[in-house]
Amino acid sequence: KQEVTQIPAALSVPEGENLVLNCSFTDSAIYNLQWFRQDPGKGLTSLLLIQSSQREQTSGRLNASLDKSSGRSTLYIAASQPGDSATYLCAVKSGNTGKLIFGQGTTLQVKP
Amino acid sequence: GAVVSQHPSWVICKSGTSVKIECRSLDFQATTMFWYRQFPKQSLMLMATSNEGSKATYEQGVEKDKFLINHASLTLSTLTVTSAHPEDSSFYICSGGESDEKLFFGSGTQLSVL
Repeated sequence: KQEVTQIPAALSVPEGENLVLNCSFTDSAIYNLQWFRQDPGKGLTSLLLIQSSQREQTSGRLNASLDKSSGRSTLYIAASQPGDSATYLCAVKSGNTGKLIFGQGTTLQVKP
Repeated sequence: GAVVSQHPSWVICKSGTSVKIECRSLDFQATTMFWYRQFPKQSLMLMATSNEGSKATYEQGVEKDKFLINHASLTLSTLTVTSAHPEDSSFYICSGGESDEKLFFGSGTQLSVL
């Protein structure tokens, strides 16, 4: 059974810092991995999607890496801003269905 | 990008009543829609997968008679929480997409059962 774990559960950094969020999964036979952003009481916004054959994806100040063999993914946020404050979720798709297995999330606070 | 419209955003109801949550795909046809539940400080847990024109597939531990899912068209899926109780209070969210590659999520429904 696939399990997804995110560390840390919460993170507080001053504005401008670069930071890394971690995601690990137990079954390396994944289809793809996505990173989402969730604002309080709101839905999810997809940030980056990495296919199983890819090593990383970049979008603006965000960079996500994937190491399938070790069951790990990282989300790197450069030059953090207060507007980046949110909960970040990683989710793994193990088969060719749309079913996603989510981690518990990392709640990020960027202080001005 | 594709949009999934979910209503209502929040609902407060009395214990024993039923609540219906709607998810509409506005600019694509969603053959499959996924329904998740999120308790405070916890992650999203898949409840069921709804397929247009057929019965939904429920995850282990989710009562199909309590959480009724209807996916009668390619643009509308509904989740009805029947005889809601306080322990059903949660954040419910749907997702769908044109393909399995990228899914789009609704804005979620916060249900509070008194």
